[in-house]
Amino acid sequence: GESVGLHLPTLSVQEGDNSIINCAYSNSASDYFIWYKQESGKGPQFIIDIRSNMDKRQGQRVTVLLNKTVKHLSLQIAATQPGDSAVYFCADLLAGYSTLTFGKGTMLLVSP
Amino acid sequence: GAGVSQSPRYKVAKRGQDVALRCDPISGHVSLFWYQQALGQGPEFLTYFQNEAQLDKSGLPSDRFFAERPEGSVSTLKIQRTQQEDSAVYLCASSPGQSYGYTFGSGTRLTVV
Repeated sequence: GESVGLHLPTLSVQEGDNSIINCAYSNSASDYFIWYKQESGKGPQFIIDIRSNMDKRQGQRVTVLLNKTVKHLSLQIAATQPGDSAVYFCADLLAGYSTLTFGKGTMLLVSP
Repeated sequence: GAGVSQSPRYKVAKRGQDVALRCDPISGHVSLFWYQQALGQGPEFLTYFQNEAQLDKSGLPSDRFFAERPEGSVSTLKIQRTQQEDSAVYLCASSPGQSYGYTFGSGTRLTVV
């Protein structure tokens, strides 16, 4: 289930389940979005990105959905594995700018 | 190099001490960014370089923070007279262009005691 921890919302799933992590962004002028995975003691690692002229993009076991109407982004992970346990951040970029703005993050815990 | 390299990995500083954090970006990457990440939070933007030019420093929290990239490759983030609230992980990222291909380093964890 999903719960709000002291700092980060946490999503706990069983190995093999599909996971969905959600993110809301605030600026309707954002035109590029990235999902990052961050493991303890490491920097954010690129997972998948999407431009604002698309509403869906698929990678290996991951899919990103973009709903510009409600300024919502989601990351779907198929057949979640224990190695997927990490904190996941969405980040967005305004058109014409170079600086990413990160969301608050969601901790994904995968039980074997 | 193969990735973005940051040093030191950990730094403990006494309050009031000056520190310098180093970032070696991916070779040939034009853009370089510094972010600050507090415990349990997402990274927050500090400053941005394109080659040696510091194009945006709007995220630097005070004039105690200073960043440079004199030859357009290695960058140093300097914090003067460190305070406890400066304790965080400082992340460096580089990209080949203006709005794609961001790669992050593992960060420097600064603890001010």
